[in-house]
Amino acid sequence: AQKITQTQPGMFVQEKEAVTLDCTYDTSDPSYGLFWYKQPSSGEMIFLIYQGSYDQQNATEGRYSLNFQKARKSANLVISASQLGDSAMYFCAMREGAEGSTDKLIFGTGTRLQVFP
Amino acid sequence: NAGVTQTPKFQVLKTGQSMTLQCAQDMNHEYMSWYRQDPGMGLRLIHYSVGAGITDQGEVPNGYNVSRSTTEDFPLRLLSAAPSQTSVYFCASSYYGTGTTGELFFGEGSRLTVL
Repeated sequence: AQKITQTQPGMFVQEKEAVTLDCTYDTSDPSYGLFWYKQPSSGEMIFLIYQGSYDQQNATEGRYSLNFQKARKSANLVISASQLGDSAMYFCAMREGAEGSTDKLIFGTGTRLQVFP
Repeated sequence: NAGVTQTPKFQVLKTGQSMTLQCAQDMNHEYMSWYRQDPGMGLRLIHYSVGAGITDQGEVPNGYNVSRSTTEDFPLRLLSAAPSQTSVYFCASSYYGTGTTGELFFGEGSRLTVL
């Protein structure tokens, strides 16, 4: 069974609008971490945001926020005020196990976001 | 700020040839890993290391060898390349230990084509 599921192969959003990229995960470990990475067309992997399973509040980093719904096992990325430079592939990833116990990340298949003027 | 450096960035091999993808990091990270990225499949873990002298297999280790003689370097060896190993390879490193989140720092990737 897939551990990380990203059901949206592609998404379109107009500049300055908000967009939500979906991510669901599957784990029986009570301790885990969730990450989002951005991969622009140039190919590098850029870390965006992190949420620990015991964090009470949703993580935020500038225009990025993580909508963490633990009971639903979802960790959606919300990008506010989209910019043309946000056009990229976005990957959701999970660390199974407590912080510091492992750095093995399991990645989803990604969502390609295209921002249009 | 070099971070994680991978070489070469591009390589074309013939089936059966061998090669080594180099990876070096200058952040004194204990944890290093190799992923491959294939269309529609995300990134899959090949091998990883939690410190010098320690390596372990990931999800797709077959056809690849690694070693970790120093903290800085983590080369990936293809002993007999196959077309199925055509992919983009990423080396990543991270802090490892109590209180660390597991955030990975990636190299720029190496695109390998096996004919």
